[in-house]
Amino acid sequence: SAVISQKPSRDICQRGTSLTIQCQVDSQVTMMFWYRQQPGQSLTLIATANQGSEATYESGFVIDKFPISRPNLTFSTLTVSNMSPEDSSIYLCSGETGEAFFGQGTRLTVV
Amino acid sequence: DQQVKQNSPSLSVQEGRISILNCDYTNSMFDYFLWYKKYPAEGPTFLISISSIKDKNEDGRFTVFLNKSAKHLSLHIVPSQPGDSAVYFCAARSGSARQLTFGSGTQLTVLP
Repeated sequence: SAVISQKPSRDICQRGTSLTIQCQVDSQVTMMFWYRQQPGQSLTLIATANQGSEATYESGFVIDKFPISRPNLTFSTLTVSNMSPEDSSIYLCSGETGEAFFGQGTRLTVV
Repeated sequence: DQQVKQNSPSLSVQEGRISILNCDYTNSMFDYFLWYKKYPAEGPTFLISISSIKDKNEDGRFTVFLNKSAKHLSLHIVPSQPGDSAVYFCAARSGSARQLTFGSGTQLTVLP
């Protein structure tokens, strides 16, 4: 199956700053997804990112807070903007070729 | 409202015995179900799946059972091995939608 390289693997950020997470896939995938896993909770879908169109956001998530880029079929970024401690989570990107596969995750701590 | 529920946050099993992880769902539109395994500091990895047209799918030590009338699925691991210790997530999707709805996960610990 395809492999996603996600970076950074972890970061500690000051509140009010922004962090951009990158995901590189080793093959072309049509659909990529961004999830968030808050401590002790399930994976929650933030948005679906398709190349050449704006990302589609789930209820409770907005583009101003989580802008996403998808410049080609192998790459996507998620920015967590104007961070607050409530944004401390694991962020995961995912691609889909039959079954969904995931990057390693980014553990974000906002202080 | 959680559409996919894993009511047991943790499960401990002796090595060699059967592990049974359970998952319930509420959305009758779900027609494809998956199990993922997650080790610390890694992303979830796909384990096994089942379509709603089946009631059982087997892959080596892993078997998933689906009871549509009860909106319940379970993952059986037999025999359990210490390397199976991980968090297991149940996930579901409906129709042509590709995004997944996840349960909250069950931490499986297999004791040597």
